[in-house]
Amino acid sequence: GAVVSQHPSRVICKSGTSVKIECRSLDFQATTMFWYRQFPKQSLMLMATSNEGSKATYEQGVEKDKFLINHASLTLSTLTVTSAHPEDSSFYICSASSGEQFFGPGTRLTVL
Amino acid sequence: QKEVEQNSGPLSVPEGAIASLNCTYSDRVSQSFFWYRQYSGKSPELIMSIYSNGDKEDGRFTAQLNKASQYVSLLIRDSQPSDSATYLCAVPGGGADGLTFGKGTHLIIQP
Repeated sequence: GAVVSQHPSRVICKSGTSVKIECRSLDFQATTMFWYRQFPKQSLMLMATSNEGSKATYEQGVEKDKFLINHASLTLSTLTVTSAHPEDSSFYICSASSGEQFFGPGTRLTVL
Repeated sequence: QKEVEQNSGPLSVPEGAIASLNCTYSDRVSQSFFWYRQYSGKSPELIMSIYSNGDKEDGRFTAQLNKASQYVSLLIRDSQPSDSATYLCAVPGGGADGLTFGKGTHLIIQP
């Protein structure tokens, strides 16, 4: 299957700071990438669809001004959590689609 | 809003037996269905995809789809302790086919 990487794998930050998470498709070009969030003992919830060269599409209830998505190239999408608060602590997972979705290893964000 | 339902378990199966995982979905027009395996603290890994009614086999895994009943299942033959994980059923449901996941079934294979 296709390989998707994420960086960083784990980040701890203070409340009020911003955190950027990178998602890369390593062996294929992805015009569309997806960002998911998973809270403990819950399933993955789609946050937004990242489209190369255009604005992201956000799911209902996800604040676009808080979760900034940039899809600057066919292999890179970034998610920036702005002014992070403890309730934003979660496991953030990206995926890239080549027909089927392949997931990155995830980024565990802890906001103190 | 598409919904995907799974029994959260835990489902406990003896080693070597067949594990049967079930999933129902709400949207009759769904055309593709996916099973992912997720180990604790890790991201999901694609196990099977199925698009047509009937069975699809891949090694020890068999996916079964019944669109009329809006039901998809995953069978794991000769279950191994390494199969112990949470199994997530997913259908395209978000923008540009972002996935809607069920809550997952926690499978435990007992040695």
